[in-house]
Amino acid sequence: QKEVEQNSGPLSVPEGAIASLNCTYSDRGSQSFFWYRQYSGKSPELIMSIYSNGDKEDGRFTAQLNKASQYVSLLIRDSQPSDSATYLCAVLPYYGNNRLAFGKGNQVVVIP
Amino acid sequence: ETGVTQSPTHLIKTRGQQVTLRCSSQSGHNTVSWYQQALGQGPQFIFQYYREEENGRGNFPPRFSGLQFPNYSSELNVNALELDDSALYLCATQEGNQPQHFGDGTRLSIL
Repeated sequence: QKEVEQNSGPLSVPEGAIASLNCTYSDRGSQSFFWYRQYSGKSPELIMSIYSNGDKEDGRFTAQLNKASQYVSLLIRDSQPSDSATYLCAVLPYYGNNRLAFGKGNQVVVIP
Repeated sequence: ETGVTQSPTHLIKTRGQQVTLRCSSQSGHNTVSWYQQALGQGPQFIFQYYREEENGRGNFPPRFSGLQFPNYSSELNVNALELDDSALYLCATQEGNQPQHFGDGTRLSIL
């Protein structure tokens, strides 16, 4: 079982719509969860962090965490063409000395 | 702008050669982690340094080694380069328990 799984294929959404991304993780003791955005050819950029169950909103982004289900999601409201990127889910496992475990990412394409 | 600087930005090497990649960050960021990101994959943890000591290592062979200096800058060294070492190498720094922020990366190509 992979530590962090992002199984969805590329996601195409019309401009203005909501993009929804999902991520599951295997280490039940994990306490810190992150979403990074990565444009093609660039490095990952932190866009959201979440540490407790529930929703956390920052501008057009909402992260949702459900530790019982070991599930993290990211919603992008009013999607813009500039949101077209790969979104990486990252988890800080309970064991592991501050090393992040990443999913393979989900590509989002916003269609004008 | 994360304040994390990596050099060089691109590098081309041949199999069997050795390479050194560098990373520097804002003062106070005493933890540095290195990741390897192959095309189409998420970053994979190589190792982490905290106050000049290795503080955890991922599933990478010993030919991947590192250093952290008193000013918290860091180096990643890879010996006996293999074709599969072609990837984006990312350095991430953090202050205390704050989230990690990445530099722009070094794109390494092995011919």
